[in-house]
Amino acid sequence: GENVEQHPSTLSVQEGDSAVIKCTYSDSASNYFPWYKQELGKRPQLIIDIRSNVGEKKDQRIAVTLNKTAKHFSLHITETQPEDSAVYFCAATPTGTASKLTFGTGTRLQVTL
Amino acid sequence: EAGVAQSPRYKIIEKRQSVAFWCNPISGHATLYWYQQILGQGPKLLIQFQNNGVVDDSQLPKDRFSAERLKGVDSTLKIQPAKLEDSAVYLCASSLGSSGGQGETQYFGPGTRLLVL
Repeated sequence: GENVEQHPSTLSVQEGDSAVIKCTYSDSASNYFPWYKQELGKRPQLIIDIRSNVGEKKDQRIAVTLNKTAKHFSLHITETQPEDSAVYFCAATPTGTASKLTFGTGTRLQVTL
Repeated sequence: EAGVAQSPRYKIIEKRQSVAFWCNPISGHATLYWYQQILGQGPKLLIQFQNNGVVDDSQLPKDRFSAERLKGVDSTLKIQPAKLEDSAVYLCASSLGSSGGQGETQYFGPGTRLLVL
């Protein structure tokens, strides 16, 4: 089955700096890669996603890049703000398994003033 | 649009007891998922329904966990008997279910936090 690895497990940045979280996946058939943000005690919420026919996608301060050859994808947050502090999860879905998501282990991002 | 609803939000039980969780997906969503999220880990899929049929239950510990979605809308997840290692947040999610196998956005409920003593 699919295996998703995520790094780093914790990340501390100063407000205004950029943050980068990286994930690798094992199944070359994976074609959908969402990123979820989970604040303490809250539900995971989708912040951005990318499909395998696209190399990069941006939404304001958030961007995701995908390298299908290397089987890795990354989340980039620019101009970080304290409200960006949360746990971020990447996930991947292989083709042919409906929408079954395999999640990474999460990155705890702390944005300090 | 109303989100995914779950109840109860918190549950404390002793080991070997039984417990049930309820989920109401977003209206019109055909696909429903139950995830287990152990503290410090990512959600792990337990079972996926498409309408009232099971699509994937390969990671459901069937000796103690069961789930149903009889009318293709609400769903219940049951644990009987509970073990200490079942302490986790149980998340329900739903998606449109019209993508024909391609990835689609999953919307999560607030979860049920279970503590087994």
